[in-house]
Amino acid sequence: AQSVSQHNHHVILSEAASLELGCNYSYGGTVNLFWYVQYPGQHLQLLLKYFSGDPLVKGIKGFEAEFIKSKFSFNLRKPSVQWSDTAEYFCAVIISSNTGKLIFGQGTTLQVKP
Amino acid sequence: EAGVTQFPSHSVIEKGQTVTLRCDPISGHDNLYWYRRVMGKEIKFLLHFVKESKQDESGMPNNRFLAERTGGTYSTLKVQPAELEDSGVYFCASSQDRVTTAIYEQYFGPGTRLTVT
Repeated sequence: AQSVSQHNHHVILSEAASLELGCNYSYGGTVNLFWYVQYPGQHLQLLLKYFSGDPLVKGIKGFEAEFIKSKFSFNLRKPSVQWSDTAEYFCAVIISSNTGKLIFGQGTTLQVKP
Repeated sequence: EAGVTQFPSHSVIEKGQTVTLRCDPISGHDNLYWYRRVMGKEIKFLLHFVKESKQDESGMPNNRFLAERTGGTYSTLKVQPAELEDSGVYFCASSQDRVTTAIYEQYFGPGTRLTVT
């Protein structure tokens, strides 16, 4: 079965540190890739998405992600985190032959210390 | 534009009781999805409506769960009878038409936290 794996369940960083959250998926066909974020007390929001084209995609709030097809990966990065980035981050995929069903990773909780 | 809304935000019921969760999608969104997150696990797909039709219900756990979307607007998810393992956060999401990649951009509601005791 298709699955998504996020490497870290809990990450703690100091402000201004660089962030990279790993995400790998298991599916050999065409995929659409997403990162969602859930800030404390808020609902899930789309951070960025990849459908096709340039494998380096930029999202909101300075986040970016790189799709590496050969590695089945879609890692999320940010050069310098802020305290306001404290949230839970979810990697997800949609398999193109599907109905739009999102398959999520387990989520990574990011805590940024001021 | 109003976002996806869900009601109630939190429900505590006893094992064996019935609970109905409601989701109002963004106006004009034909696609409506239900997801669930059990504590400590990943968010899992339950089912997908296109207007009032069930397009994919492969994620529904068992026949204690019944989802409806009468008239293609709001949707309800009924759990009857509830079991302890049904506890979790139930998310609803909606997206636009199927013609473009807009189908893939899902907007989520705040979720309903269900606790079965």
